[in-house]
Amino acid sequence: AQSVTQLGSHVSVSEGALVLLRCNYSSSVPPYLFWYVQYPNQGLQLLLKYTTGATLVKGINGFEAEFKKSETSFHLTKPSAHMSDAAEYFCAVIIRNQGGKLIFGQGTELSVKP
Amino acid sequence: DAGVTQSPTHLIKTRGQQVTLRCSPKSGHDTVSWYQQALGQGPQFIFQYYEEEERQRGNFPDRFSGHQFPNYSSELNVNALLLGDSALYLCASSIGTGGWETQYFGPGTRLLVL
Repeated sequence: AQSVTQLGSHVSVSEGALVLLRCNYSSSVPPYLFWYVQYPNQGLQLLLKYTTGATLVKGINGFEAEFKKSETSFHLTKPSAHMSDAAEYFCAVIIRNQGGKLIFGQGTELSVKP
Repeated sequence: DAGVTQSPTHLIKTRGQQVTLRCSPKSGHDTVSWYQQALGQGPQFIFQYYEEEERQRGNFPDRFSGHQFPNYSSELNVNALLLGDSALYLCASSIGTGGWETQYFGPGTRLLVL
């Protein structure tokens, strides 16, 4: 069965430090890959997605992610954390040719220390 | 351009009751998906509607049912509520069912079952 694993339910960084949130997936074929952010008491907002083409994907708010097929990974990075980045981050996949069912990881809560 | 809207924002019900949640998709979107997000968890796919038909369904019992109207808005109905149905219910809209399209999420309806 397809699944998404996010390593680390909580990640804490200092303001200005590198942000690295890890995501690995399990699928027999490379899926479509997504990162969403959720602020408290809000819905989910898309940060970026990979469907085809260049494996390094740039998103909003300075985030980017790289699809590595050999490692079945899609880690999210940002060079310099800002206080406003504190939120819950979800990695998700959609299996190709199986419609639009998003399969989410458990989420990683990012804290940013001043 | 209004995004995805959901109503009500909060709801309190007792066990055994029935509930109806509503979703209006983003303008121009014809596909609506519903997700359940329990506290501290990633969203779980309930089902997806396209052209007024249920196209895909997740691992949820028949107590969960839905409907899509000709204007693409959608309802989620849950019968015989259980305590475990307490969660944030998210609606997402998109164009088509190919899977690569971005799903835009509403703010959610928080359901508490007592």
